[in-house]
Amino acid sequence: DARVTQTPRHKVTEMGQEVTMRCQPILGHNTVFWYRQTMMQGLELLAYFRNRAPLDDSGMPKDRFSAEMPDATLATLKIQPSEPRDSAVYFCASGLSQSAKNIQYFGAGTRLSVL
Amino acid sequence: SQQGEEDPQALSIQEGENATMNCSYKTSINNLQWYRQNSGRGLVHLILIRSNEREKHSGRLRVTLDTSKKSSSLLITASRAADTASYFCATVNTGGFKTIFGAGTRLFVKA
Repeated sequence: DARVTQTPRHKVTEMGQEVTMRCQPILGHNTVFWYRQTMMQGLELLAYFRNRAPLDDSGMPKDRFSAEMPDATLATLKIQPSEPRDSAVYFCASGLSQSAKNIQYFGAGTRLSVL
Repeated sequence: SQQGEEDPQALSIQEGENATMNCSYKTSINNLQWYRQNSGRGLVHLILIRSNEREKHSGRLRVTLDTSKKSSSLLITASRAADTASYFCATVNTGGFKTIFGAGTRLFVKA
């Protein structure tokens, strides 16, 4: 049963600490998306990659956020330093660009609380 | 700003009734999709309609698309308590791969 795997599922940290969230996309998928979901802002696209190359990270605060794909099986989203306003659920999704449909398969999310 | 805007924001109905959710968007699209999110979970793709299609069916789901009005609707027929979730429309722009999600409609189906 192919699925997108995100770790950790929950993270509680203190302001100023570094946070790293990981995502394993579905094997064979070549696009990866990072989203942030809050009650106030809804679902916001932070970054997306195609074939491991970043195509758009305009939605990501550049001063503290960074997203990478060290290899095809791992995507990371880092926040350094973290702030209370970063508290949200972060979702990773993957898909196949060749399908031209852009259907995305979501992980279960990482719920981040910054105290 | 978000591309897709759903209405209503929240909908409460009795089991067995039909639920209709609407979505409006702003720019040209390649396709429009609807996703569902159960509480505490990730989004799950439900159905996709291409820009040259007007209506699509999948089980109890019916989606319509009016590109002249830049709007879509999702109809869930004979709703069940298990349909309780948030429903999001998502648009994929022409010539791009970027998907933009709306704010979602929270559906509550009372048993």
